[in-house]
Amino acid sequence: GAGVSQSPSNKVTEKGKDVELRCDPISGHTALYWYRQSLGQGLEFLIYFQGNSAPDKSGLPSDRFSAERTGGSVSTLTIQRTQQEDSAVYLCASSLVSGLAGSGNEQFFGPGTRLTVL
Amino acid sequence: DAKTTQPPSMDCAEGRAANLPCNHSTISGNEYVYWYRQIHSQGPQYIIHGLKNNETNEMASLIITEDRKSSTLILPHATLRDTAVYYCIVRPYSGNTGKLIFGQGTTLQVKP
Repeated sequence: GAGVSQSPSNKVTEKGKDVELRCDPISGHTALYWYRQSLGQGLEFLIYFQGNSAPDKSGLPSDRFSAERTGGSVSTLTIQRTQQEDSAVYLCASSLVSGLAGSGNEQFFGPGTRLTVL
Repeated sequence: DAKTTQPPSMDCAEGRAANLPCNHSTISGNEYVYWYRQIHSQGPQYIIHGLKNNETNEMASLIITEDRKSSTLILPHATLRDTAVYYCIVRPYSGNTGKLIFGQGTTLQVKP
């Protein structure tokens, strides 16, 4: 079946511009996550959505970053007034169940969006 | 901070077993050990997870020590396509939001 999809696959923008990154999770998955991976760095958690609960925004690096998930499905990550340090691969993941450490909780990742801020 | 320690890199000959170690000495009783891998230019891929018993699936085996302070991921017959960064992750439980905390992982290079 279809996996997690993200768009665009690549985005080049100028410093100071706003960007929107889109994630389409696997159908039926209730949990959705955003991570980012800077060049040579590990994966860094950004934000997490689970059903109708308030999102966990603890990983967002600044108030220029925000995300929403409409209708419990598609999510958009918005970065305002982009800076060069925002350049990274932004990864989205979804899982069927969350909050439980056992089976059914594995996360399925999309291919990522490579953001380059000039 | 990641709660696991892994060697930064390992080599393995094609067709041989790859044994990737992970230390998680501060693991709590109700935390699971998860393994993911990331092939170059792709998103991470789930491999396997376990609590205390050894686990096996079509991709790999997971051996967890009795004291649960360390584990080993085994790829029984490594292929060139197994070249990737392998992440060992202890799943946060208290106030668990399900997020994964990635360390630096082990870069496995499978050589012909």
